[in-house]
Amino acid sequence: EDKVVQSPLSLVVHEGDTVTLNCSYEVTNFRSLLWYKQEKKAPTFLFMLTSSGIEKKSGRLSSILDKKELFSILNITATQTGDSAIYLCAVANSGYALNFGKGTSLLVTP
Amino acid sequence: DAGVIQSPRHEVTEMGQEVTLRCKPISGHDYLFWYRQTMMRGLELLIYFNNNVPIDDSGMPEDRFSAKMPNASFSTLKIQPSEPRDSAVYFCASSLRVQGSSFGSGTRLTVV
Repeated sequence: EDKVVQSPLSLVVHEGDTVTLNCSYEVTNFRSLLWYKQEKKAPTFLFMLTSSGIEKKSGRLSSILDKKELFSILNITATQTGDSAIYLCAVANSGYALNFGKGTSLLVTP
Repeated sequence: DAGVIQSPRHEVTEMGQEVTLRCKPISGHDYLFWYRQTMMRGLELLIYFNNNVPIDDSGMPEDRFSAKMPNASFSTLKIQPSEPRDSAVYFCASSLRVQGSSFGSGTRLTVV
């Protein structure tokens, strides 16, 4: 059975800190790994990763995939209170359906 | 682009009643997904369609749940009869092949 495990479950940091969120997976016929940010409503897409070792970057957020060790990390540098959210990792198998982890709840305090 | 549109935003119904959730995907997207989110189980895929055809409904909890996609711009998820344990936020999402899915704002369903 496909499995996506995120850690930590929750995290509280001060503004300006750097955080690393982890996602490990077991999936047959891996296609891609995606990161989403969920605030009060719907998840919003951050990154899609398909190849090992290639960093995806958007502003203060970056992510990388290790297909050998079956994990991905999401880094957020110089955190701001607006980064407070649940960060979801999802893996797509040979189809396009996504299997989501339980998420990491991040709280950034002023 | 209006994004994925779901209705209603909130639904409160009594146990045993039929509930119909609606979704309009982003125009041109060929995949449509229905998810359910609860605190206990997180986001779970219920069913997904490709070009209006159901591809995988293995996540549908039981026969009380059914989904249809009569055309490329509309899908419904129906629960009949509803039960309190069906209370959750139901999301519809659409995507164009390998791109990340775009989610609707969700329908918060409460069955009392």
